[in-house]
Amino acid sequence: KNEVEQSPQNLTAQEGEFITINCSYSVGISALHWLQQHPGGGIVSLFMLSSGKKKHGRLIATINIQEKHSSLHITASHPRDSAVYICAVRGVSGGSNYKLTFGKGTLLTVNP
Amino acid sequence: DTGVSQDPRHKITKRGQNVTFRCDPISEHNRLYWYRQTLGQGPEFLTYFQNEAQLEKSRLLSDRFSAERPKGSFSTLEIQRTEQGDSAMYLCASSPGTPVYQYFGPGTRLLVL
Repeated sequence: KNEVEQSPQNLTAQEGEFITINCSYSVGISALHWLQQHPGGGIVSLFMLSSGKKKHGRLIATINIQEKHSSLHITASHPRDSAVYICAVRGVSGGSNYKLTFGKGTLLTVNP
Repeated sequence: DTGVSQDPRHKITKRGQNVTFRCDPISEHNRLYWYRQTLGQGPEFLTYFQNEAQLEKSRLLSDRFSAERPKGSFSTLEIQRTEQGDSAMYLCASSPGTPVYQYFGPGTRLLVL
């Protein structure tokens, strides 16, 4: 079983819809990251969370440490939001508190 | 452009050949990471440098792989005697001393024929 599980693997939405992508993890973490990857490979960090909720524009990320679960929400989705969204966790201490362990990603397609 | 850069962006090679990739991190970042991403998967950790010291290597990094960061600035990743299973996107990232965001380069896509 992977340490980081994302759902769904693929998501197709119509422009304007509210999007939710889920991430569950099985290890203790110091932080959880949400990243965006466009075709061609470039990865951009969206959020880093250790508790609570963060918002940036139309993107909202939440984390529940007790349940080892995080969600990424996109409000008023737009075709330019189409990308792979990846959840990654950073370990608690020692050698694991710098490297990231990634989920497989969620491919989001937003149709006009 | 002050972001992370990688060279080359694409590499096609024949099985058995050696290849070398370069990563130039953001100049003030002392931490540098290499990851590998195969199709349909998330990136996987390969190795990590703090300044010029290579502090950890993943079990994924066989003896055919070697990475260096000789002056604590740019890094190279060499694959010797490439195999078809080495075909992947090789991603480099850097971060400042305190673990926060990692800044990713555009990646080098390797195809081994």
